Amino acid sequence: DIQMTQSPSSLSASVGDRVTISCRASQTIISFLNWYQQKPGEAPKLLIYAASNLQSGVPSRFSGSGSGTDFTLTISSLQPEDFATYYCQQSYSSVNFGQGTRLEIK
Amino acid sequence: QIHLLQSGAEVKKPGASVKVSCKASGYTFSSYGITWVRQAPGQGLEWMGWISAKNGNTKYAQKFQGRVTMTTDTATSTAYMELRSLRSDDTAAYYCTRDTQIFDPQYGYFDLWGRGTQVTVSS
Repeated sequence: DIQMTQSPSSLSASVGDRVTISCRASQTIISFLNWYQQKPGEAPKLLIYAASNLQSGVPSRFSGSGSGTDFTLTISSLQPEDFATYYCQQSYSSVNFGQGTRLEIK
Repeated sequence: QIHLLQSGAEVKKPGASVKVSCKASGYTFSSYGITWVRQAPGQGLEWMGWISAKNGNTKYAQKFQGRVTMTTDTATSTAYMELRSLRSDDTAAYYCTRDTQIFDPQYGYFDLWGRGTQVTVSS
């Protein structure tokens, strides 16, 4: 099974900061890596698919990059509504998620 | 409006079964798959399995093999997930999602989510 490891597990940042969250796969997943945002009490929401494609309606401050085993989600300038938990997910071999990264207000 | 409407919260005793429904609207149901994801309290997301809304083919996570059944009713655009032999650690929110893959879950992603169904297993 492919293991997905996100880092950091939690992160404190301020409005306006640039933030990066990493996701590493235990073996290559080509570019079959997706990112989701989940706010407390809500369902997750798709942000990025296939490593770098912005889902329709998602603000352009979100971007994704990477291929093979190492991937990154970047938020270029944090907004108050971005404080949430972020998950990566691979679908190259079966399907599974990273453990999540909780983004908190500093 | 495109959305997935899930059934209401359930409370079950250990050993019982639960069947959660997910009614799709606003899109062509049979053009997508449905993936089920669950989330235990304070925990991360866990993939349970996938069903093609076109032909009913399924793939389940090994962890749930033999205990879960996913079905669809194309006449009503509704997907169902039944989990049997419930245990306390099955207490979780269960989400249905629209999966972009129609023939196999490989390469898919989940672009539409239901609001979740809370299942509580307690004696």
